[in-house]
Formats: sequence, structure tokens, C-alpha cells
Amino acid sequence: DQQVKQNSPSLSVQEGRISILNCDYTNSMFDYFLWYKKYPAEGPTFLISISSIKDKNEDGRFTVFLNKSAKHLSLHIVPSQPGDSAVYFCAAKVSSNTGKLIFGQGTTLQVKP
Amino acid sequence: ETGVTQTPRHLVMGMTNKKSLKCEQHLGHNAMYWYKQSAKKPLELMFVYNFKEQTENNSVPSRFSPECPNSSHLFLHLHTLQPEDSALYLCASSQVSLSYNEQFFGPGTRLTVL
Repeated sequence: DQQVKQNSPSLSVQEGRISILNCDYTNSMFDYFLWYKKYPAEGPTFLISISSIKDKNEDGRFTVFLNKSAKHLSLHIVPSQPGDSAVYFCAAKVSSNTGKLIFGQGTTLQVKP
Repeated sequence: ETGVTQTPRHLVMGMTNKKSLKCEQHLGHNAMYWYKQSAKKPLELMFVYNFKEQTENNSVPSRFSPECPNSSHLFLHLHTLQPEDSALYLCASSQVSLSYNEQFFGPGTRLTVL
């Protein structure tokens, strides 16, 4: 039973346009959500996060939106740049003090020049 | 060295071999993690250590044996693995507290079991 799902395995956008990556979850006990970015041959790197008590968090070109009623979050990248091409993972934390994260299967973003 | 380092970066082993993966974090964190990433699958949490104590074992087969001698080092001992264990093994660390801090990942060890 996959608690965090990224239903789009890949996404292709033109440079300068908006990229929207989506993530759905099933567990209402998640209290924190994160997005990670992964280049080939490297480990995932933290991008942006949002607490379950908020509905939006913005950091430069990256904005994460959380819709708790729909159990859905999304990552918006605008404007998209070729260097943003990578695999993006959504992750969620269960309300506890272990730090355990549940990851989605990832979406490969390609930004075309 | 900074961040989270992992050695070796690549490992090829036979099913009868015994090998170990090493992870070291230079961030002063109090928790460390082992993940497995197979092709087309989500990152799978294997083990969690908080303050050197194992707090999570996600039904991992006994052919994988973790060891956390101190809060900066984490090992994954491997023996009699199967070809389906071939994957990218990622180590991560974080500072677990009331206000959550993100996990920092190492570059991973690409393991191939022949």
C-alpha cells in the first residue's frame, strides 16, 4: 500500500514556462511534507518543505502548495530552467519524533531549452 | 569532508561474498538512515538509528545487517545477497527534534549482485 504517490513518471516543459509536479497521499497523520531533487549518480537533495498547518510555502522559483482536504500537494517551478532537469521526489513525515519519511516513486522533469 | 559521505560508490559482489557499506555524516545530526532505491520504485526505508539506537527495521531480510557504532557512522553489512538486491543504497542523516529538520543524503552506493 503506497501512502505517497506521484502518478506522473515524467514531465517535459519548455524553458521559461511553469513546471507543476504533483503528489497525492493517503495518510492523514502526515504532518510535514518535503520535496527532494535528484540528479543521476547523486543522492537526493532537499528542495522545499511545508508543514501540514500551512497551505503554501515559497522559496525563490519554487512554491509548494498543500491541499489537505484533497490530500494533495504540488511543486511549482517558475520559470523552469534546463538545470532543473532531474528526478523530483515527494516525501511525507508521520507525526512522530523518529524523523521517518515516506517517499513517492519520483517524477522525472525535463526542461527543454 | 562535509555533509554525508558514502563508500564505496560502486560495488560488485557475488552471492557468497561478504561486504560492508560505510556512511559518515559530518553534520552533527542525531539520526541516520539506510534507504534502498530500486529502478522505478520509491525510496524504501530500511533502517533508522536515533542516538545510535535502532528505532526502525522495515522488515529487512537478515542478510542486511546494520551497525551504528556512534552518531556519525553507519554501516550496512552484506552477506549472501541475491541478484534482486542490486540497487542504489542511500544513507541519510537528520537532526530529529520537535521542529522537523530535513534529511541530508549521501551520494549512494551502486550495488550489483552477480
